[in-house]
Amino acid sequence: RKEVEQDPGPFNVPEGATVAFNCTYSNSASQSFFWYRQDCRKEPKLLMSVYSSGNEDGRFTAQLNRASQYISLLIRDSKLSDSATYLCVVRGGGTYKYIFGTGTRLKVLA
Amino acid sequence: GAVVSQHPSRVICKSGTSVKIECRSLDFQATTMFWYRQFPKKSLMLMATSNEGSKATYEQGVEKDKFLINHASLTLSTLTVTSAHPEDSSFYICSARGSSQETQYFGPGTRLLVL
Repeated sequence: RKEVEQDPGPFNVPEGATVAFNCTYSNSASQSFFWYRQDCRKEPKLLMSVYSSGNEDGRFTAQLNRASQYISLLIRDSKLSDSATYLCVVRGGGTYKYIFGTGTRLKVLA
Repeated sequence: GAVVSQHPSRVICKSGTSVKIECRSLDFQATTMFWYRQFPKKSLMLMATSNEGSKATYEQGVEKDKFLINHASLTLSTLTVTSAHPEDSSFYICSARGSSQETQYFGPGTRLLVL
């Protein structure tokens, strides 16, 4: 089983739609969780950290469920510019190493 | 956010040559730097972790004699791909974090093509 698993997609959604991605992780000792965005042929950029209480940043909402070991990202009112690959990232317990999921590709269609 | 640069952004070389990639933290002191590689449509795979002034820790399956990492200062780490072969062609990305930082900041990546 992979340490961090994501549905690779692609998710093709119309502009204005709401879309949600899930990510599961296998190490229950994982301490920190992030969503990164990666555009084609570019480096990953931090979208948001994910906290146990859940957190929201504009149209983006992230949730963490430690009991079920998954995190989610919700994007409301999708824009064309949201088209990218969204990477789920988990930091293992006791280290600063990031474990990346394979990413979920989102295409927002006009 | 913090800024990390990488140089060169892309390099094409002949098989058998060595290629050095630099990673710099421009506005903070990076106590730890990480080197990743990414194949097309695949996820980032951590190659090694380097702490300033000490030897890098390599992930399983990564040859330390093939991928030489030096982290001689708090703002610079280098990755040298020795005797590069076509299968080493990939996107190499570094990231850095400061001692008080939770987050890793990524460089823009280096595209290596070995002919």
